[in-house]
Amino acid sequence: GENVEQHPSTLSVQEGDSAVIKCTYSDSASNYFPWYKQELGKGPQLIIDIRSNVGEKKDQRIAVTLNKTAKHFSLHITETQPEDSAVYFCAALGAGNQFYFGTGTSLTVIP
Amino acid sequence: EPEVTQTPSHQVTQMGQEVILRCVPISNHLYFYWYRQILGQKVEFLVSFYNNEISEKSEIFDDQFSVERPDGSNFTLKIRSTKLEDSAMYFCASSEVRASYEQYFGPGTRLTVT
Repeated sequence: GENVEQHPSTLSVQEGDSAVIKCTYSDSASNYFPWYKQELGKGPQLIIDIRSNVGEKKDQRIAVTLNKTAKHFSLHITETQPEDSAVYFCAALGAGNQFYFGTGTSLTVIP
Repeated sequence: EPEVTQTPSHQVTQMGQEVILRCVPISNHLYFYWYRQILGQKVEFLVSFYNNEISEKSEIFDDQFSVERPDGSNFTLKIRSTKLEDSAMYFCASSEVRASYEQYFGPGTRLTVT
Protein backbone atom coordinates (compact mmCIF):
# COMPACT_ATOMS: atom_id res chain seq x y z
CA GLY A 1 0.00 0.00 0.00
CA GLU A 2 0.86 3.68 0.02
CA ASN A 3 3.54 4.93 2.43
CA VAL A 4 3.83 8.63 3.24
CA GLU A 5 6.91 10.02 4.93
CA GLN A 6 6.99 13.55 6.35
CA HIS A 7 9.89 15.76 7.43
CA PRO A 8 10.81 17.43 9.65
CA SER A 9 8.96 16.24 12.72
CA THR A 10 9.50 19.59 14.44
CA LEU A 11 10.22 22.99 12.98
CA SER A 12 10.82 26.34 14.66
CA VAL A 13 10.95 29.56 12.70
CA GLN A 14 11.06 33.24 13.53
CA GLU A 15 7.93 35.21 12.87
CA GLY A 16 8.00 36.51 9.32
CA ASP A 17 10.26 33.74 8.03
CA SER A 18 9.15 30.95 5.71
CA ALA A 19 8.46 27.37 6.70
CA VAL A 20 8.71 24.35 4.43
CA ILE A 21 7.43 20.86 5.20
CA LYS A 22 8.15 17.98 2.85
CA CYS A 23 6.42 14.69 2.19
CA THR A 24 7.20 11.74 -0.03
CA TYR A 25 4.85 9.00 -1.16
CA SER A 26 5.38 5.59 -2.65
CA ASP A 27 2.34 4.83 -4.82
CA SER A 28 2.61 6.48 -8.23
CA ALA A 29 -1.14 6.00 -8.67
CA SER A 30 -1.91 8.46 -5.86
CA ASN A 31 -3.56 11.52 -7.33
CA TYR A 32 -4.76 13.75 -4.50
CA PHE A 33 -2.65 15.32 -1.77
CA PRO A 34 -4.24 17.39 1.01
CA TRP A 35 -2.55 19.22 3.85
CA TYR A 36 -4.15 19.48 7.26
CA LYS A 37 -3.47 21.80 10.19
CA GLN A 38 -4.26 20.54 13.68
CA GLU A 39 -4.40 22.89 16.62
CA LEU A 40 -4.40 21.66 20.18
CA GLY A 41 -7.65 19.97 21.11
CA LYS A 42 -9.10 20.24 17.63
CA GLY A 43 -9.48 17.96 14.65
CA PRO A 44 -7.39 18.28 11.49
CA GLN A 45 -8.45 21.21 9.35
CA LEU A 46 -7.94 21.11 5.59
CA ILE A 47 -5.81 24.08 4.57
CA ILE A 48 -4.82 23.33 0.99
CA ASP A 49 -4.77 20.43 -1.44
CA ILE A 50 -3.34 19.59 -4.83
CA ARG A 51 -4.23 17.09 -7.51
CA SER A 52 -1.76 15.22 -9.64
CA ASN A 53 -2.52 17.19 -12.79
CA VAL A 54 -1.16 20.38 -11.17
CA GLY A 55 2.40 21.23 -10.14
CA GLU A 56 1.73 24.09 -7.77
CA LYS A 57 -1.16 25.71 -5.99
CA LYS A 58 -1.23 28.88 -3.92
CA ASP A 59 -3.65 30.35 -1.42
CA GLN A 60 -2.43 33.62 0.09
CA ARG A 61 0.56 32.75 2.31
CA ILE A 62 0.27 29.01 1.74
CA ALA A 63 1.48 27.08 -1.29
CA VAL A 64 1.86 23.43 -2.14
CA THR A 65 4.14 21.99 -4.81
CA LEU A 66 4.01 18.52 -6.29
CA ASN A 67 6.71 16.63 -8.14
CA LYS A 68 5.07 13.51 -9.54
CA THR A 69 8.26 12.12 -11.00
CA ALA A 70 10.07 12.26 -7.70
CA LYS A 71 6.89 11.45 -5.75
CA HIS A 72 7.18 14.29 -3.32
CA PHE A 73 5.11 17.29 -2.36
CA SER A 74 5.79 20.22 -0.07
CA LEU A 75 3.93 22.80 1.96
CA HIS A 76 5.30 26.33 1.95
CA ILE A 77 4.15 28.96 4.44
CA THR A 78 5.50 32.46 3.89
CA GLU A 79 5.51 35.39 6.32
CA THR A 80 4.76 33.08 9.20
CA GLN A 81 2.70 34.34 12.12
CA PRO A 82 2.34 32.98 15.68
CA GLU A 83 -1.12 31.66 14.81
CA ASP A 84 0.49 29.37 12.23
CA SER A 85 1.88 27.35 15.15
CA ALA A 86 0.24 23.91 14.97
CA VAL A 87 0.83 20.35 13.83
CA TYR A 88 0.68 19.95 10.05
CA PHE A 89 -0.13 16.65 8.35
CA CYS A 90 0.29 15.72 4.74
CA ALA A 91 -1.75 12.93 3.19
CA ALA A 92 -2.03 11.03 -0.06
CA LEU A 93 -5.07 9.35 -1.52
CA GLY A 94 -3.97 5.83 -2.25
CA ALA A 95 -5.44 2.57 -3.46
CA GLY A 96 -8.93 1.80 -2.25
CA ASN A 97 -9.65 5.52 -1.88
CA GLN A 98 -7.95 5.54 1.49
CA PHE A 99 -6.02 8.48 2.86
CA TYR A 100 -2.50 7.74 4.06
CA PHE A 101 -1.13 10.34 6.43
CA GLY A 102 2.35 11.50 7.28
CA THR A 103 3.53 11.51 10.87
CA GLY A 104 3.01 15.25 11.29
CA THR A 105 5.23 18.30 11.74
CA SER A 106 4.98 20.43 14.84
CA LEU A 107 5.55 24.00 13.69
CA THR A 108 6.41 26.70 16.21
CA VAL A 109 6.52 30.32 15.10
CA ILE A 110 8.57 32.38 17.53
CA PRO A 111 7.34 35.97 17.94
CA GLU B 1 -19.61 27.64 9.00
CA PRO B 2 -20.87 24.02 9.11
CA GLU B 3 -18.66 21.60 10.98
CA VAL B 4 -18.42 17.97 11.96
CA THR B 5 -19.16 17.35 15.63
CA GLN B 6 -18.25 14.35 17.78
CA THR B 7 -19.36 13.10 21.17
CA PRO B 8 -18.08 12.40 23.69
CA SER B 9 -14.81 14.29 23.66
CA HIS B 10 -13.29 11.75 26.01
CA GLN B 11 -14.45 8.21 26.79
CA VAL B 12 -12.91 5.95 29.40
CA THR B 13 -13.90 2.30 29.34
CA GLN B 14 -12.74 -1.00 30.74
CA MET B 15 -11.24 -3.68 28.57
CA GLY B 16 -13.90 -5.94 27.10
CA GLN B 17 -16.64 -3.32 27.20
CA GLU B 18 -18.50 -2.04 24.18
CA VAL B 19 -18.23 1.60 23.21
CA ILE B 20 -20.10 3.72 20.71
CA LEU B 21 -18.54 6.87 19.36
CA ARG B 22 -20.87 9.37 17.79
CA CYS B 23 -20.49 11.84 14.98
CA VAL B 24 -22.73 14.34 13.27
CA PRO B 25 -21.36 14.98 9.77
CA ILE B 26 -21.94 18.17 7.82
CA SER B 27 -25.56 18.08 6.75
CA ASN B 28 -25.25 17.99 2.95
CA HIS B 29 -22.32 15.58 2.92
CA LEU B 30 -22.80 12.09 1.56
CA TYR B 31 -19.56 10.28 2.46
CA PHE B 32 -18.48 9.56 6.00
CA TYR B 33 -15.23 8.28 7.44
CA TRP B 34 -13.60 7.14 10.64
CA TYR B 35 -9.91 7.49 11.38
CA ARG B 36 -7.86 6.81 14.46
CA GLN B 37 -4.62 8.20 15.80
CA ILE B 38 -2.73 6.30 18.43
CA LEU B 39 -0.67 8.68 20.56
CA GLY B 40 2.48 9.71 18.73
CA GLN B 41 1.58 7.79 15.57
CA LYS B 42 0.07 8.56 12.19
CA VAL B 43 -3.58 9.18 11.55
CA GLU B 44 -4.89 5.88 10.13
CA PHE B 45 -7.90 5.29 7.93
CA LEU B 46 -10.48 2.87 9.34
CA VAL B 47 -13.56 2.94 7.14
CA SER B 48 -15.60 4.94 4.66
CA PHE B 49 -19.37 4.81 4.37
CA TYR B 50 -21.76 5.84 1.64
CA ASN B 51 -25.38 5.16 0.89
CA ASN B 52 -25.80 3.17 4.10
CA GLU B 53 -23.01 0.76 3.43
CA ILE B 54 -19.27 0.47 3.86
CA SER B 55 -17.36 1.65 0.79
CA GLU B 56 -13.83 0.84 1.87
CA LYS B 57 -12.21 -0.42 5.03
CA SER B 58 -8.65 -0.90 6.18
CA GLU B 59 -7.04 -3.95 7.72
CA ILE B 60 -7.53 -2.34 11.12
CA PHE B 61 -11.31 -2.42 10.73
CA ASP B 62 -11.88 -6.01 11.80
CA ASP B 63 -14.98 -7.78 13.10
CA GLN B 64 -14.95 -5.94 16.41
CA PHE B 65 -15.69 -2.68 14.63
CA SER B 66 -18.96 -1.66 13.04
CA VAL B 67 -20.43 1.57 11.70
CA GLU B 68 -23.98 2.71 11.38
CA ARG B 69 -26.03 5.68 10.32
CA PRO B 70 -28.99 5.16 12.62
CA ASP B 71 -30.84 8.26 11.47
CA GLY B 72 -30.47 11.15 9.07
CA SER B 73 -27.83 12.96 11.07
CA ASN B 74 -25.72 10.61 13.20
CA PHE B 75 -22.87 8.35 12.16
CA THR B 76 -21.53 5.94 14.77
CA LEU B 77 -18.53 3.72 15.31
CA LYS B 78 -19.01 0.77 17.62
CA ILE B 79 -16.21 -1.25 19.15
CA ARG B 80 -17.69 -4.45 20.52
CA SER B 81 -15.08 -5.64 22.97
CA THR B 82 -12.45 -3.03 23.58
CA LYS B 83 -8.79 -3.89 23.97
CA LEU B 84 -6.01 -1.85 25.51
CA GLU B 85 -4.59 -1.19 22.05
CA ASP B 86 -7.84 0.47 20.98
CA SER B 87 -6.86 3.47 23.08
CA ALA B 88 -6.50 6.29 20.58
CA MET B 89 -8.03 9.47 19.25
CA TYR B 90 -10.88 8.66 16.87
CA PHE B 91 -11.75 11.19 14.21
CA CYS B 92 -14.89 11.31 12.13
CA ALA B 93 -14.82 13.07 8.76
CA SER B 94 -17.28 13.77 6.00
CA SER B 95 -17.12 14.88 2.40
CA GLU B 96 -19.66 16.09 -0.09
CA VAL B 97 -18.40 13.69 -2.72
CA ARG B 98 -16.12 10.75 -2.45
CA ALA B 99 -12.62 10.48 -1.08
CA SER B 100 -10.83 12.33 -3.82
CA TYR B 101 -12.38 15.54 -2.60
CA GLU B 102 -12.15 17.59 0.55
CA GLN B 103 -12.76 15.75 3.79
CA TYR B 104 -13.70 17.74 6.87
CA PHE B 105 -12.73 16.36 10.24
CA GLY B 106 -14.40 16.56 13.61
CA PRO B 107 -12.53 17.40 16.83
CA GLY B 108 -12.11 13.76 17.78
CA THR B 109 -13.00 11.46 20.67
CA ARG B 110 -10.20 10.36 22.92
CA LEU B 111 -10.84 6.72 23.88
CA THR B 112 -8.97 5.35 26.86
CA VAL B 113 -9.25 1.63 27.55
CA THR B 114 -8.11 0.55 31.01
